[in-house]
Amino acid sequence: ETGVTQSPTHLIKTRGQQVTLRCSSQSGHNTVSWYQQALGQGPQFIFQYYREEENGRGNFPPRFSGLQFPNYSSELNVNALELDDSALYLCASRPGPSGGVYEQYFGPGTRLTVT
Amino acid sequence: TQLLEQSPQFLSIQEGENLTVYCNSSSVFSSLQWYRQEPGEGPVLLVTVVTGGEVKKLKRLTFQFGDARKDSSLHITAAQPGDTGLYLCAGVENSGYALNFGKGTSLLVTP
Repeated sequence: ETGVTQSPTHLIKTRGQQVTLRCSSQSGHNTVSWYQQALGQGPQFIFQYYREEENGRGNFPPRFSGLQFPNYSSELNVNALELDDSALYLCASRPGPSGGVYEQYFGPGTRLTVT
Repeated sequence: TQLLEQSPQFLSIQEGENLTVYCNSSSVFSSLQWYRQEPGEGPVLLVTVVTGGEVKKLKRLTFQFGDARKDSSLHITAAQPGDTGLYLCAGVENSGYALNFGKGTSLLVTP
């Protein structure tokens, strides 16, 4: 069974640029969530995708957007990068979209640095 | 804004000592999860607690969910260097799709 994978591992971008991060969910998982973890902080929920549609969003501006593909893999896109966007971006997958207790599996993350 | 407050923020102990870390909130959660995160890795789920007053044991780790489902604790007995890491608690909202994480407790266990 393959776990959650993310690419790239590290990325350096300049303020104002755009970035795309990628995630492959664990086998059998149809729901993907993205989290932003700034240094010294816990992860913050960005949004969740289920069956290729966003079905939950945290307190992040519209320049954070995403996609989910038929194979349940996902992308996180961030436009007009700001210095505060520097963080570890985590992807997590689980077998169902919502409700009750669930096990969520995180990938190793992509470390984004904005200069 | 973090809804969950974790304490202590940092903890450095010697191998063999016992420790307890706390996770407190003013909000009620349908369930609460504990994760451990090592440098360069994503968080790994340790346990989920659902019922108020619930106690779960995982080898040397004991997790407790408060009666009102607003707080939780993690107790480690006879800590080992392999326990070193960032311990995160996360509350599951009633909507069930978002995890609200605390800032974590960074634990260092030295031989």
